[in-house]
Parts: sequence; structure tokens; C-alpha cells
Amino acid sequence: DAGVIQSPRHEVTEMGQEVTLRCKPISGHNSLFWYRQTMMRGLELLIYFNNNVPIDDSGMPEDRFSAKMPNASFSTLKIQPSEPRDSAVYFCASSPGTGVGEQYFGPGTRLTVT
Amino acid sequence: AQSVTQPDIHITVSEGASLELRCNYSYGATPYLFWYVQSPGQGLQLLLKYFSGDTLVQGIKGFEAEFKRSQSSFNLRKPSVHWSDAAEYFCAARSGANNLFFGTGTRLTVIP
Repeated sequence: DAGVIQSPRHEVTEMGQEVTLRCKPISGHNSLFWYRQTMMRGLELLIYFNNNVPIDDSGMPEDRFSAKMPNASFSTLKIQPSEPRDSAVYFCASSPGTGVGEQYFGPGTRLTVT
Repeated sequence: AQSVTQPDIHITVSEGASLELRCNYSYGATPYLFWYVQSPGQGLQLLLKYFSGDTLVQGIKGFEAEFKRSQSSFNLRKPSVHWSDAAEYFCAARSGANNLFFGTGTRLTVIP
């Protein structure tokens, strides 16, 4: 099992640029989650999807952030325009959606906005 | 409101010593409970989970956790810590909806 795959692993961009983070969940999982982790705020849930449908996006910080899941095997998190305060590690996680609902995390994307 | 509390921000133990990391939850009903570990530069890895039955749960890497309903706690333990256990540990809970609520984490330092 390949686990959750995220790309890129590291992204450095300038303020104002568009950033797209990508995630491939574990095959067969029907729930997908995007998190942001910073020293100041810890681990924050941004949005989660169930069967490709966004269920709760209340954690998305502002309109500059958007997420899509066009199919069961791919999701994107886009920031446009990016700002220095968006610098963080962004994690994608997937869950089988059955049983106890444990989540399996990807390795994360470290985003630095200068 | 639903919440997960990890009262210890940072714990230091000697290699070979026992370990207990505390976790308390506040939910209307008994939630599903989890412990995750995060090594530097890595994602979160599931150590163990509890949803019902035996209140002592065994996980990977020699960890175990005990659910105590009366104390609303789910503390993580290991009898003998190894240097490779140095990491950040997160307690999490789920009740009803799919999303997990995470504690703020406990950083474990292991000294020789």
C-alpha cells in the first residue's frame, strides 16, 4: 500500500503567487481531509470531503483558499494569492469512512511564502 | 463543546524509563479515541485506537493506552522508552461526524 501521497514535498514561492498542493488518498478510502500545521496554531482542520463532496469547510481561513476533489483518487488545495502567513506544513489525510474512522496521513507539504 | 486536552507540552525521560502521556477529552458521549506520533519532518502515524470493549488497548511500537471513563482520560504508556521514541504525540477523538479533534500535542525528549 502506497499510503497517502502528497506533492510537492516542499514549495517556496513569492507572495502573491498561486500555490497548488496535491493529494492522492489511499485507494478505497472515501473521506479526505486537509490540515495545516504551524507552531503557533498547531494542527488545524481546513476542510474535509466525503465521497468527493465537501462536507465541512469551516476551517478554511479565507477566500484565498479553495479545495477540490474531482474524483476519488485526487484532491487539490489552492491558495491564490499566497501570503507569508500561509507558510506552514499542509497535510492530507484519508479515512476508510467505516469503522472507527481512523485517518492516515501523508508526509505533508512544507510551504514557504516569502 | 468537544475538546481534547493534552496537559503536558513537553516531557523528558531517560532511555529505558517508563512513559505516560496524558490525554483528557470532553464529549457528550464516549468518543472514538486515537493516539498519533509525529517524528520530525514526517506526517502523523497512527499508534492505536479505542472504540469499545477492553479498555486497555495495544498499539504499535510497544505502546498501549488505557481508557478510563470515570476520568475522561485516554493516557498513553510505554514500559521502556527507546531513543527512537523521541517525537511529538497527539491524542485525538471522534464522535459522530468524520472529523477528528486533535490535542495540542506533547513533545517527548529522550535522554541517554
